[in-house]
Amino acid sequence: NAGVTQTPKFQVLKTGQSMTLQCAQDMNHNSMYWYRQDPGMGLRLIYYSASEGTTDKGEVPNGYNVSRLNKREFSLRLESAAPSQTSVYFCASSRSSDNTGELFFGEGSRLTVL
Amino acid sequence: AQSVSQHNHHVILSEAASLELGCNYSYGGTVNLFWYVQYPGQHLQLLLKYFSGDPLVKGIKGFEAEFIKSKFSFNLRKPSVQWSDTAEYFCAVNSMTGGFKTIFGAGTRLFVKA
Repeated sequence: NAGVTQTPKFQVLKTGQSMTLQCAQDMNHNSMYWYRQDPGMGLRLIYYSASEGTTDKGEVPNGYNVSRLNKREFSLRLESAAPSQTSVYFCASSRSSDNTGELFFGEGSRLTVL
Repeated sequence: AQSVSQHNHHVILSEAASLELGCNYSYGGTVNLFWYVQYPGQHLQLLLKYFSGDPLVKGIKGFEAEFIKSKFSFNLRKPSVQWSDTAEYFCAVNSMTGGFKTIFGAGTRLFVKA
């Protein structure tokens, strides 16, 4: 049982390049999330998807787009990367049957934008 | 706006010392409260959570936290820390009315000296 899987784990981009971070969960969770982690700022929510077919903005959505491809997969796209998007990105999911929204995280994707 | 405040960004303790990490939140309505832990090189995992009932909750590895509604606080405690508790600790909050968008504090880095 893999849980939440993110790819790639590491990526270096030049300013202006585009890329997509992939996330998949095999726990049959309804809700999925993308966070970024920056030193001294904790985790900040970029986008989330409460259920298949829906997506909503979080705290810091600018510069990102998301796609909830199906129940398992939730991708994060940077159309034109900027140095300010250098960060560690975490995908997470939560159970539909859980009224607390406890999060299950992937291992993270470290992105550097030069 | 919803927010989570963690009082200490860095804490250094010797083994066997007692630990208390402060967390206050600003969130309307009924909330769910969490502490997540990130060990070096690993992804975030749940330490403990409060959603109802006894305001003193116990988690893994001897950690506990107390929800004090009147103070909007959810402080994390451990009577005697070990070197293996060296990690970053995040307080987080969500609510069902907020669509389970979980907001995190900035984190506290704990270093335990052997």
